[in-house]
Amino acid sequence: SSELTQDPAVSVALGQTVRITCQGDNLRNYYASWYQQKPGQAPVLVIHGRNNRPSGIPDRFSGSNSKNTASLTITGAQAEDEADYHCNSRDSSGKHLFGGGTKLTVL
Amino acid sequence: EVQLVESGGGLVQPGRSLRLSCAASGFTFDDYAMHWVRQAPGKGLEWVSGISWNSGSIGYADSVKGRFTTSRDNAKNSLYLQMNSLRAEDTALYYCVKESLGAPYYFDYWGQGTLVTVSS
Repeated sequence: SSELTQDPAVSVALGQTVRITCQGDNLRNYYASWYQQKPGQAPVLVIHGRNNRPSGIPDRFSGSNSKNTASLTITGAQAEDEADYHCNSRDSSGKHLFGGGTKLTVL
Repeated sequence: EVQLVESGGGLVQPGRSLRLSCAASGFTFDDYAMHWVRQAPGKGLEWVSGISWNSGSIGYADSVKGRFTTSRDNAKNSLYLQMNSLRAEDTALYYCVKESLGAPYYFDYWGQGTLVTVSS
């Protein structure tokens, strides 16, 4: 069955750049979307489509796609970016998939 | 302002049933597909089910297929999840989620969730 794979944990020094990746065969045909989730809160959409940010999401967040891999990049990570990040996409049957999530630590 | 408010969660014994509801406001409900996404304690997100704007297309994760039923009442701006034959592994926070309008598909608004605990 289809699945999306994320690294469980990533760390970044304050102010540096970090890339969080998501791999899956269905990403060859469907864009990933990315969600930020802080403890005790609901997920928040941060990137969708080719590289689109909803209103209110800082421009240090960006997305990219290559073959079977989607990436979320935070350029100049801030302390408030420490959170779990989840990728999502759909498969050919219309079902949606989530990656296992990546815990981002800002050092 | 888009609002999604879930209700109906609680403690239930294995094998029993529960019905979750989601009250939507701040957008034209019957224009959009809606979904249920759950998150077990300390775990990642899991897509549970989705329903098209007119209920013409409904999909389920393999883990709940045959046990859960998603429905909506556009006149009441409400989404529902009927959960039968509940198992311990269904214990999770259940989110009501609004889908974007058309491709590429993504989830643009989430409720705060309602907690379902399956335990004897």
